[in-house]
Amino acid sequence: DGGITQSPKYLFRKEGQNVTLSCEQNLNHDAMYWYRQDPGQGLRLIYYSQIVNDFQKGDIAEGYSVSREKKESFPLTVTSAQKNPTAFYLCASSIIPNTEAFFGQGTRLTVV
Amino acid sequence: DAKTTQPNSMESNEEEPVHLPCNHSTISGTDYIHWYRQLPSQGPEYVIHGLTSNVNNRMASLAIAEDRKSSTLILHRATLRDAAVYYCILRDVGQGAQKLVFGQGTRLTINP
Repeated sequence: DGGITQSPKYLFRKEGQNVTLSCEQNLNHDAMYWYRQDPGQGLRLIYYSQIVNDFQKGDIAEGYSVSREKKESFPLTVTSAQKNPTAFYLCASSIIPNTEAFFGQGTRLTVV
Repeated sequence: DAKTTQPNSMESNEEEPVHLPCNHSTISGTDYIHWYRQLPSQGPEYVIHGLTSNVNNRMASLAIAEDRKSSTLILHRATLRDAAVYYCILRDVGQGAQKLVFGQGTRLTINP
């Protein structure tokens, strides 16, 4: 089935460690996005990419990095520079120009 | 980016219609109005979108004001499964950079 997959669903890391969240889509979508969601809050855009080997910062990119080496994959690395990394992370993809965006089920990251 | 304004929360009863408002007074001519909803601990899912005319699909209806400065998502007969956070978003498909920015959304509670 076509869709967008995030893994793992739950992730625990020690403070000071970098961690990479996976996002894969087989929808042949050009655009991909990463969002962060804190409890009771809306989604905040971290990074987005319109095409392979190109990406732009969103509203809260500090402490995060991404790569887009393949159309299907858009991994997000949460670095030790991110002061409050514990959150729910969501990945999405869409066609350009777009109508509908498809979201993964999210990765809940807990840093202890 | 043009912004949207939604009430923080709304409440309705099961099997009754629900009207979710959204204000977007700075909307541009190439902005589409999109609605997504997010169930607890899940990624958002697409509900409906439109440009100028009212739209209907199996999930909901979208009523767009003549001046396009506001819109209303209509759930014709709410069920308990419709309890979610609903996001109204403007999406400019006239530009290559499509950031897909979410606001805080409206938390809809459905009473049995």
